[in-house]
Amino acid sequence: GQQVMQIPQYQHVQEGEDFTTYCNSSTTLSNIQWYKQRPGGHPVFLIQLVKSGEVKKQKRLTFQFGEAKKNSSLHITATQTTDVGTYFCAWFGNEKLTFGTGTRLTIIP
Amino acid sequence: ETGVTQTPRHLVMGMTNKKSLKCEQHLGHNAMYWYKQSAKKPLELMFVYNFKEQTENNSVPSRFSPECPNSSHLFLHLHTLQPEDSALYLCASSLMPGQSSYGYTFGSGTRLTVV
Repeated sequence: GQQVMQIPQYQHVQEGEDFTTYCNSSTTLSNIQWYKQRPGGHPVFLIQLVKSGEVKKQKRLTFQFGEAKKNSSLHITATQTTDVGTYFCAWFGNEKLTFGTGTRLTIIP
Repeated sequence: ETGVTQTPRHLVMGMTNKKSLKCEQHLGHNAMYWYKQSAKKPLELMFVYNFKEQTENNSVPSRFSPECPNSSHLFLHLHTLQPEDSALYLCASSLMPGQSSYGYTFGSGTRLTVV
């Protein structure tokens, strides 16, 4: 069956450093979404990627979808304390949105 | 406010109690969902309602009973829960069933503790 791994599980970075989280699937994904959940909060939709090799940017955030549509990444440039939270990838399969295990980002001031 | 409102925000209940969680959205969305978020597990889909018809029951125990009287309201009725059911219960909605390029809109959740 389909397996999707999100890594790393935790990431601690100094403020100003970059951060990247990855989702890797054993099978081709039709599309992938990314969500952010602040501590004590709820998941908030960030973006959806659909096309092979697609790259989208939102200010300091860069989202990529692999050429084979089997992996995706979220990269944050020059992290700030407001970036703290857990970042989830999510994908559709059998008309259900399934979430990855998430990467919890903490920022060291 | 996200546009999806969940009440109560916090709930403590005994194993013999009966309680209900409520979710309301006025975004004009046609699909609503219940997710469970535990400390050591990823977000788990519980139920899916499309145009107020249940289309998915993700092997959820019968002690959880959903109800969707219309496309704006969703309930989760709870009875004879177990301590391991303690979790954050999140309601979400989307414009259309299935895939949504605008993503799912989540409520703030109900933090449930079963004692």
